[in-house]
Amino acid sequence: GQNIDQPTEMTATEGAIVQINCTYQTSGFNGLFWYQQHAGEAPTFLSYNVLDGLEEKGRFSSFLSRSKGYSYLLLKELQMKDSASYLCAVRDHPLDSNYQLIWGAGTKLIIKP
Amino acid sequence: DGGITQSPKYLFRKEGQNVTLSCEQNLNHDAMYWYRQDPGQGLRLIYYSQIVNDFQKGDIAEGYSVSREKKESFPLTVTSAQKNPTAFYLCASTDSLDSYSNQPQHFGDGTRLSIL
Repeated sequence: GQNIDQPTEMTATEGAIVQINCTYQTSGFNGLFWYQQHAGEAPTFLSYNVLDGLEEKGRFSSFLSRSKGYSYLLLKELQMKDSASYLCAVRDHPLDSNYQLIWGAGTKLIIKP
Repeated sequence: DGGITQSPKYLFRKEGQNVTLSCEQNLNHDAMYWYRQDPGQGLRLIYYSQIVNDFQKGDIAEGYSVSREKKESFPLTVTSAQKNPTAFYLCASTDSLDSYSNQPQHFGDGTRLSIL
């Protein structure tokens, strides 16, 4: 079956670093996306990985290991506004899914002063 | 400013009533999607459309219907057959139909539907 696992909730301190993990089991793999979603709002795109390795974008970095079915989102210099849910989504093989994304349930990140 | 507009922001449905959620985009995107989001669950795909006058069922299409008469518009009707419609509904669009593209889906601000 298709499955994406993320921790339900994490807590971190302002100014610190936090790593949010995502593991996936899908019939195929054609890219992994990370989104940020504040409560009651639309998800906004953060990063995309399709090859193994680290993609850095300012305070946010995302890592992918296709052989392990594993990704993480790294947030540095945490700010209060980073309190949100972080969604991991995998694009399955296009022949099977017609560009559909499979979504994890999201990780709620709580930042404390 | 380009974007996706969903309306209304909040919607209440009575028993036996059909309701329609609006989704309009001015991004000139070909593909549009409807998702349902429930607490503690990932986004679940209801319907998607890759081109005008064509659409496909997603994982949870029962009790829903859509149309795609114009590129900019992809309304979702929640019918009385959907017995548990209370959820947050998100509309999304994406530019490229290329399965190898890194283009993300862009989302509207969502419609929260509740039963009266």
